[in-house]
Amino acid sequence: QQPVQSPQAVILREGEDAVINCSSSKALYSVHWYRQKHGEAPVFLMILLKGGEQKGHEKISASFNEKKQQSSLYLTASQLSYSGTYFCGTEMAGSARQLTFGSGTQLTVLP
Amino acid sequence: SAVISQKPSRDICQRGTSLTIQCQVDSQVTMMFWYRQQPGQSLTLIATANQGSEATYESGFVIDKFPISRPNLTFSTLTVSNMSPEDSSIYLCSVAGQGGTEAFFGQGTRLTVV
Repeated sequence: QQPVQSPQAVILREGEDAVINCSSSKALYSVHWYRQKHGEAPVFLMILLKGGEQKGHEKISASFNEKKQQSSLYLTASQLSYSGTYFCGTEMAGSARQLTFGSGTQLTVLP
Repeated sequence: SAVISQKPSRDICQRGTSLTIQCQVDSQVTMMFWYRQQPGQSLTLIATANQGSEATYESGFVIDKFPISRPNLTFSTLTVSNMSPEDSSIYLCSVAGQGGTEAFFGQGTRLTVV
């Protein structure tokens, strides 16, 4: 079952912050976050494993609330290069490691 | 990590024809996955390809339309058969690392059916 991703789109000014949410009705083993620019393959950002682990990568961080089966991606002090479509990919517990992707969040960062 | 080489990167095909997409990985992997991304949409899993057994297809995808081969642990092909304009999409192969690690994607094949 496809995870629910929100918001569908967000427009920011450079330097502003954004949060993208991903929730599932299924028990998850992990949540993967990807960014995709137009015409390109998805680029891996980070993976969150069950256990409420929070990770960070430069100004991009994420959390995973195992109880709620929700993950959030935090973009702080956004840069123009952050523009793109963000997808969460969920891996269910006991699955064969295939991912089910959310519908995506289109992020536009303006100068 | 894994490096995936996917070919062709793009193609324009006539309706009714077939296209075979190749995916080569630089290391041995147990499972390979094929995804489709229709224009403006998310990625949808087509099938899981295991070496030595038939691929496992997701709901809405059938072997006659998307036959898959997996002759060894580093290579797989996906064929899009009897194409129609609705098959115009990006097709991506992916491999999973060890549990708890990222999934790796090829660069994708952008298919346009005219």
